[in-house]
Amino acid sequence: DTEVTQTPKHLVMGMTNKKSLKCEQHMGHRAMYWYKQKAKKPPELMFVYSYEKLSINESVPSRFSPECPNSSLLNLHLHALQPEDSALYLCASSLKGAGGRGDEQFFGPGTRLTVL
Amino acid sequence: AQSVAQPEDQVNVAEGNPLTVKCTYSVSGNPYLFWYVQYPNRGLQFLLKYITGDNLVKGSYGFEAEFNKSQTSFHLKKPSALVSDSALYFCAVRDNTGANNLFFGTGTRLTVIP
Repeated sequence: DTEVTQTPKHLVMGMTNKKSLKCEQHMGHRAMYWYKQKAKKPPELMFVYSYEKLSINESVPSRFSPECPNSSLLNLHLHALQPEDSALYLCASSLKGAGGRGDEQFFGPGTRLTVL
Repeated sequence: AQSVAQPEDQVNVAEGNPLTVKCTYSVSGNPYLFWYVQYPNRGLQFLLKYITGDNLVKGSYGFEAEFNKSQTSFHLKKPSALVSDSALYFCAVRDNTGANNLFFGTGTRLTVIP
């Protein structure tokens, strides 16, 4: 299995809703990432987990809450989002944890989030 | 500080012609350089990387890139473009010191004209 899967593919939510994005990989990768991507822009790093511990939080607002229940699974919990949070949310993984600087990242197809 | 520049927002090339997508970088230590491609409404796909060794790196789908340390460049090339190569291409860099973030360029839209 050489892919990263993300669910749901699309999500529409109101500003008072609570929802979660899910990401899964079974490649034995020990680093997992959440990125936010606006249209025609590069991905912006949000969070990095290394060996299931949060290692980087790029000053993301608390309305985004990451969780890494095990080495294969990464969640992003959403609460009280704003319309400007509408974007493509990408999950990625790479082989080694924080020390794997030469490792390429494998990206999932993303979740297209719309906040009304 | 690490940064990547992709000087062209858009590159157009005729099918069958060679293509080049430009990338220059700035890092404190030794660079690790990556190229990714993104098709509409999809995630990024890894194409190739330079870590060390040969300056010419070969990757997926017939793409290659040349690492030039003196010019701090890592341009993506393909000898003969296909219409299916039309997509958004991102160059990214990470160095061997400091923060372990992967820094992406702003992307180049490649259009291959039939």
